[in-house]
Amino acid sequence: QVQLVQSGAEVKKPGASVKVSCKASGYTFTNSAMHWVRQAPGQGLEWMGWISTGNGNTKYSQKFQGRVTITSDTSASTAYMDLSSLRSEDTAIYYCARTNTGIFDSWGQGTLVTVSS
Amino acid sequence: QSVLTQPPSVSGAPGQRVTISCTGSSSNIGAGYDIHWYQQLPGTAPKLLIYSKTNRPSGVPDRFSGSKSGTSASLAITGLQAEDEADYYCQSYDNSLSHWVFGGGTKLTVL
Repeated sequence: QVQLVQSGAEVKKPGASVKVSCKASGYTFTNSAMHWVRQAPGQGLEWMGWISTGNGNTKYSQKFQGRVTITSDTSASTAYMDLSSLRSEDTAIYYCARTNTGIFDSWGQGTLVTVSS
Repeated sequence: QSVLTQPPSVSGAPGQRVTISCTGSSSNIGAGYDIHWYQQLPGTAPKLLIYSKTNRPSGVPDRFSGSKSGTSASLAITGLQAEDEADYYCQSYDNSLSHWVFGGGTKLTVL
């Protein structure tokens, strides 16, 4: 079955960067896009960006443009989300999610990123 | 401010029927983009509940159903059960933003 397993929780200082990984299994990695969605404490879901794992093309939300980089390693069936210049408002759970025809059909377990001085 | 608007909360007694609305615009739901629904139980990741307006993944009970009209969509839950208490999110694509969008989420309380 499809599984997305994310890296563990992180604590970062303001201004630092964080890189979260998402290892996929149970399907052909390059056949589905991978998205990143975040959820601040007590808040809703916010789409950050995606990568076409077949060709490496990416697109990011305007809100995160310039601060977020999404990459993938097809040999390891793993996607990565790198967020820089962290501020306290970036404290959130970050999820990877696979899509097929725009449907977020499988989600990682989430990675809590805490930004605190 | 979410592009897709949902009520912050709804509630119902066990066995009752509730609906959750998702209001969009001509650049998302009204443009014909598919609408999908997700259920997020407390402390867990979201899970696909309804896709392409009305379809249920295997394992989702037929108590859950979706519909769409114009620039809005709705999720209906019949025969409410205690385990339905969760947050529910609608999702679509917006062509003015050129990216995927989620509703603000609706907290369902089973009384």
